Parts: sequence; structure tokens; C-alpha cells
Amino acid sequence: NAGVMQNPRHLVRRRGQEARLRCSPMKGHSHVYWYRQLPEEGLKFMVYLQKENIIDESGMPKERFSAEFPKEGPSILRIQQVVRGDSAAYFCASSPLAGSTDTQYFGPGTRLTVL
Amino acid sequence: SQQGEEDPQALSIQEGENATMNCSYKTSINNLQWYRQNSGRGLVHLILIRSNEREKHSGRLRVTLDTSKKSSSLLITASRAADTASYFCATDVGSSNTGKLIFGQGTTLQVKP
Repeated sequence: NAGVMQNPRHLVRRRGQEARLRCSPMKGHSHVYWYRQLPEEGLKFMVYLQKENIIDESGMPKERFSAEFPKEGPSILRIQQVVRGDSAAYFCASSPLAGSTDTQYFGPGTRLTVL
Repeated sequence: SQQGEEDPQALSIQEGENATMNCSYKTSINNLQWYRQNSGRGLVHLILIRSNEREKHSGRLRVTLDTSKKSSSLLITASRAADTASYFCATDVGSSNTGKLIFGQGTTLQVKP
């Protein structure tokens, strides 16, 4: 059973461009969490999604950020019009259970650099 | 402010010594977890301790939890150079069941050979 996959692993964008980060959960997992880690800091929760539903987006910036987890395919975190402050590592975690913190499996992360 | 706050922020020890890191949190929890992150890499889950547990061991790791003080400690015994990494505690938010984890700022551990 493959682990949580994230791609790309590294992404470079210029200011104003769009960034799309993908997360493929473990097989059988229908719950996905996105976290952001700024340099020298801990991870910060962004959003929790189930298939086709956003359950908790309390950590998402109000503008430019969106997330989806369609019925088929990976979860996508989309950042429009990126700014330098968006440079960070973005991790996703998947779980087979709703609202569970002790069964989350983390992916290797996508490191976004905004020039 | 952070749900999880760790101290020290940085710790430097010699190989063979023990390393102790502390984590404090603010709200009630169901469980607390510790993760390791090597520089520029992903998270490695180390250990989970539930709110009704006081101590847990895994190899060279010992975790304690004091819910009355809302604090936890991670002890790494007989440290090795390969233990050099950042260590984070993470908690759930107790009454909420959305499953989001709240991470501390981390302790950066350097083990000198």
C-alpha cells in the first residue's frame, strides 16, 4: 500500500502566477488534511476535506487559496496570484476515519518557492 | 498563541547523552503526538499518548503526559548523531472532532558525534 503521495515535491513560481499542489491519499482514505509550514515554524492546519466536501476551512487564508477533493483524483490545493509570503512547505495527510487525529498519515510535502 | 509550545527551542548535546524536550498546550485534548522532521524533509510519526495515559515507551523514546499541567515531555536516551532533527508535538482540540492537529513550534536538536 503506497503512502500519501504529493506532487510536485518542489515548485517554483514567480509572483502573480498560480500554484497547484496535489495530494493523493492512501488507498481507502477519504479524508484529507492540508497543513502549511513556514520556514523555522511548526505546521499550521489549513483545511480538512472529505470526498467532494470541505469540512473545516478555518485555517485557510480568506483570499487566493482554495482546495478541493473531487470524487475521482487527488486533492488539489490551489494558490492564485502567489506572493513571496506563500513560500513554504505544504503537507497533506490522509485518514480512513472522519475527524481522527491518531490515524493521519503525512505525505512528503511540496516545497513552494515564490520568486 | 500556539496550542502547543515547546521548549527549549534549540538543544545541542553530545552523542550518548539524553535529550529532553517539553511541550505545553492550552485546551483539553484526547491525545498528544510527537513527530520528527529532518531538515527539509517530511514528518515521521514517533509516538502517540492518549489523555488517560501518563507514560509511554518506544525504543529509546519515553513520553510523559501530565494533563493537570497540560504538558508533555519527550526523552530520547543514549542519543545518536542520527537523532539530529526538529521535534514537534501535536495535539487535537479535545471537544472538536474535525481531526485537525495543532503543532508546536518545535525543538531543534543537534547531537554532536
